[in-house]
Amino acid sequence: DSGVTQTPKHLITATGQRVTLRCSPRSGDLSVYWYQQSLDQGLQFLIQYYNGEERAKGNILERFSAQQFPDLHSELNLSSLELGDSALYFCASSSGLAGETGELFFGEGSRLTVL
Amino acid sequence: QKEVEQDPGPLSVPEGAIVSLNCTYSNSAFQYFMWYRQYSRKGPELLMYTYSSGNKEDGRFTAQVDKSSKYISLFIRDSQPSDSATYLCAKRRGISSNTGKLIFGQGTTLQVKP
Repeated sequence: DSGVTQTPKHLITATGQRVTLRCSPRSGDLSVYWYQQSLDQGLQFLIQYYNGEERAKGNILERFSAQQFPDLHSELNLSSLELGDSALYFCASSSGLAGETGELFFGEGSRLTVL
Repeated sequence: QKEVEQDPGPLSVPEGAIVSLNCTYSNSAFQYFMWYRQYSRKGPELLMYTYSSGNKEDGRFTAQVDKSSKYISLFIRDSQPSDSATYLCAKRRGISSNTGKLIFGQGTTLQVKP
């Protein structure tokens, strides 16, 4: 158990809808990362938050947004969903801004299916 | 060109075999290199990390980095069925970059047959 909790584990929705994925980082970790994993693209970095502020941005679509709350949990909002958004969404956390060993602790992911 | 190139496999070997997994990367600005292991329906977990060129050993696992050719390898000795998983190589910039984001390869799926 990595200590990172993601909900929901599975989500099935229709095109055009909006969903929110939630992540609770390991106790004490200030950095939260969101990744998208699909069969053809692999594990793609979306965005990082550190102590409530956006720190780094990857190939995150404009239809997607994220935030980190004062209690350090994070939410990833996906709107106007398309079939191609079906994927596993992982949240990861690390203790500091950069982490000396590069260790990110991953949750078990939220599997999103868009029909 | 992807920042980290990795053959997705699948790779199937008999138990006890030596496994070699490889990645190539672009952009010399990246200084840290990792191998993550991901079991089916689980999140990735860190297996090994290296900073400099050369070899790093941990039990049956050896990570090798050649910065001059931008090549990363993971060797698994005496492979076991429990090693069956997807192995992802990753890179990140130095601490001064102020971000710990990792750039991952596609992942190589390994199956070790008893």
